[in-house]
Amino acid sequence: GAGVSQSPSNKVTEKGKDVELRCDPISGHTALYWYRQSLGQGLEFLIYFQGNSAPDKSGLPSDRFSAERTGGSVSTLTIQRTQQEDSAVYLCASSSGAEQFFGPGTRLTVL
Amino acid sequence: SQQGEEDPQALSIQEGENATMNCSYKTSINNLQWYRQNSGRGLVHLILIRSNEREKHSGRLRVTLDTSKKSSSLLITASRAADTASYFCATARGDSSYKLIFGSGTRLLVRP
Repeated sequence: GAGVSQSPSNKVTEKGKDVELRCDPISGHTALYWYRQSLGQGLEFLIYFQGNSAPDKSGLPSDRFSAERTGGSVSTLTIQRTQQEDSAVYLCASSSGAEQFFGPGTRLTVL
Repeated sequence: SQQGEEDPQALSIQEGENATMNCSYKTSINNLQWYRQNSGRGLVHLILIRSNEREKHSGRLRVTLDTSKKSSSLLITASRAADTASYFCATARGDSSYKLIFGSGTRLLVRP
């Protein structure tokens, strides 16, 4: 009965470098979401995957952000040419209905 | 932009007291959900209330929804120190009910 897992738990990178964040959803969940949470703030929707449908990318803040979901399971969020304002906790969630199950997040720090 | 706005931003109460948090939103919704976030961890779903419901209970939690005022409240009764966390409301709109829009949260401190 594993929940949503994310890796790494923490990532420190230098400005301008690319980073990849990974999310393993709960087995059988067809929906997968990425959110971003800045310090002391609520969650900002980034992208949503549902089965084989085209993802909803409407929340991605810039074209430096992209995400893939391979085989309807694992997802990778890629941030290219990171900027200091990208520093945040990136949360992944999966669902099979209205309730979303969240992973522990990846804390990204861009120096 | 934030759909939900919680108030108060922070709340400090004594163990055993009740805690009430409010959430206001701007557009029509399909459902409203409350989540809890312990420091540095992922969110945990607490309760979901649909737009055609007015009140819902789950253990020590009571949620109300007033669609005419576009507001919801979360009541935690007989609070415990373990209830210390941040609480977020999240709304799902009718046109894209999967996408949750979160408020900025209420930080609750329950003093033992």
